[in-house]
Amino acid sequence: QKEVEQDPGPLSVPEGAIVSLNCTYSNSAFQYFMWYRQYSRKGPELLMYTYSSGNKEDGRFTAQVDKSSKYISLFIRDSQPSDSATYLCAMTGGYNKLIFGAGTRLAVHP
Amino acid sequence: GAVVSQHPSWVICKSGTSVKIECRSLDFQATTMFWYRQFPKQSLMLMATSNEGSKATYEQGVEKDKFLINHASLTLSTLTVTSAHPEDSSFYICSARDLPESGTIQDTQYFGPGTRLTVL
Repeated sequence: QKEVEQDPGPLSVPEGAIVSLNCTYSNSAFQYFMWYRQYSRKGPELLMYTYSSGNKEDGRFTAQVDKSSKYISLFIRDSQPSDSATYLCAMTGGYNKLIFGAGTRLAVHP
Repeated sequence: GAVVSQHPSWVICKSGTSVKIECRSLDFQATTMFWYRQFPKQSLMLMATSNEGSKATYEQGVEKDKFLINHASLTLSTLTVTSAHPEDSSFYICSARDLPESGTIQDTQYFGPGTRLTVL
């Protein structure tokens, strides 16, 4: 079993839809959770960073962490074609290496 | 803030030659840098962790004599692919972790734009 599970998709949605991206993990030592966005042939860009359970909102993006269920989510409201990218969840237990999910490919069509 | 650059952005070389890739943190000091490789439509695979002034720590299965890492300063790490072969063709990405004292987010990494290596 992988430490971090993420459905690779692809996920295709119409413009304006609400997108839900999810990851599950097995290591209870993970304390820091991140979502990265990666456009084709580019490096990952940090979108959201969370530490505690609960929700964190930034513009159209909401990150949710449920440590009791070992489940994290990223919601994108009013999705735009420019949101089309691969979304990677990542997590770590401290000053250590990041463990990445497989990445979910998202396509938002006009 | 938290900008990481890589050079070159792409390189084509002949089999058997060596290629050096630079990773720089432009506006912060990074005691730790990481090197990843990524194959098409796959996630990032950590190759090694590079700490300033000490030897890199390689992940299992990564040949340290083939992928030489040097982290000589707090803003620069280099990855040298020695005697490159076609199977080394990949997208190489570095990341840098900021120092806690800088006031930015701890325990996260900022990624460079990547270097696409093609070995003929």
